[in-house]
Amino acid sequence: NAGVTQTPKFQVLKTGQSMTLQCAQDMNHNSMYWYRQDPGMGLRLIYYSASEGTTDKGEVPNGYNVSRLNKREFSLRLESAAPSQTSVYFCASSEDGLPSYEQYFGPGTRLTVT
Amino acid sequence: AQSVTQLGSHVSVSEGALVLLRCNYSSSVPPYLFWYVQYPNQGLQLLLKYTTGATLVKGINGFEAEFKKSETSFHLTKPSAHMSDAAEYFCAVSEWAGNMLTFGGGTRLMVKP
Repeated sequence: NAGVTQTPKFQVLKTGQSMTLQCAQDMNHNSMYWYRQDPGMGLRLIYYSASEGTTDKGEVPNGYNVSRLNKREFSLRLESAAPSQTSVYFCASSEDGLPSYEQYFGPGTRLTVT
Repeated sequence: AQSVTQLGSHVSVSEGALVLLRCNYSSSVPPYLFWYVQYPNQGLQLLLKYTTGATLVKGINGFEAEFKKSETSFHLTKPSAHMSDAAEYFCAVSEWAGNMLTFGGGTRLMVKP
């Protein structure tokens, strides 16, 4: 099992460009999440998908959109990148949307917006 | 709203010394509490979690944490630090179904030889 995979690993964008971060999991998990990690702020939830076909906003959704393409895949799109979106982005999944279920994290995508 | 505070963004200990990483939370309901570890250039890995039951929780790599409701704390300890413990540690809380984790700011642990 590969677990949670993310592509790309690194990306540099110019302000105003768009891009999609891809995430896939092979653990047959129902719930998936997108976080961003900034120094001193821990991880903050951008969007989550409790189950296939549903998505909900997290703490910092502005400037992002998501698509739960199927049970395996959950993508994050930046329509018009801004320097404030420079961050490390993590995708995670869990068996179900209950707090007792562990979240499994991908290796991250390091995004720089110039 | 739930929140998590980790005291000390950087902690340095000598190899073999006690590791103590502090975490305090605020929550309006009994929380679920987690400690995650992040090694350089990697994702997060669960160390341990408290859901219900015994308040002293044992995790991987010799770490443990104690849930103290009266102090709203969930401090992480390890009796003897190893060089391989050098990493960033995150405390997190979840209150409700939906599994939305709220993370603290993280503590970077450095282990000196």
